[in-house]
Amino acid sequence: NAGVTQTPKFQVLKTGQSMTLQCAQDMNHEYMSWYRQDPGMGLRLIHYSVGAGITDQGEVPNGYNVSRSTTEDFPLRLLSAAPSQTSVYFCASRRMGQATGELFFGEGSRLTVL
Amino acid sequence: DAKTTQPTSMDCAEGRAANLPCNHSTISGNEYVYWYRQIHSQGPQYIIHGLKNNETNEMASLIITEDRKSSTLILPHATLRDTAVYYCIVRVNSGAGSYQLTFGKGTKLSVIP
Repeated sequence: NAGVTQTPKFQVLKTGQSMTLQCAQDMNHEYMSWYRQDPGMGLRLIHYSVGAGITDQGEVPNGYNVSRSTTEDFPLRLLSAAPSQTSVYFCASRRMGQATGELFFGEGSRLTVL
Repeated sequence: DAKTTQPTSMDCAEGRAANLPCNHSTISGNEYVYWYRQIHSQGPQYIIHGLKNNETNEMASLIITEDRKSSTLILPHATLRDTAVYYCIVRVNSGAGSYQLTFGKGTKLSVIP
């Protein structure tokens, strides 16, 4: 059982480049989300989705786009990378329809923007 | 969601109980208390959650005060592998499962040999 899988694990970009961080889960979870974590900080929510075709903004959505065409996948797109987006990105998923569902996290994607 | 306050860091001797406090004095009646931990730079891991009653599972125990304004996560026999950042989170029970979890800076627990 793979759980939540993120790719790539490491990426270096130049300012202005674009890229997509991939996230896939095999647990049939309706809810998926992206967080970023900067050094010494907690996790901040970027975007989330409660099902295929439905996305919404979190605390820090600027500079990021998401889409949810399938239940399994929730890619995060950086259209024009900036040094301020250097961070560790975590994807997470859980079941909906439960009051207290456990949030499962991927191993993280470490992005450096030069 | 209610704000939580946790100490920045704590030490615990290996084999002893680790007691991690969390203050959530503005918690309301329908808000759950969650605990997650993050080992080194891995993704956070769920530990336990509770509403009013004390809870115990294979990883830890959660003690919630009667007025619900604070809670304590207890790791009964800390090992070196329990060294991690521990997050206390409070969130509203929306019933439909459409809630978000907000992670603060947490408590850095160091288990010392």
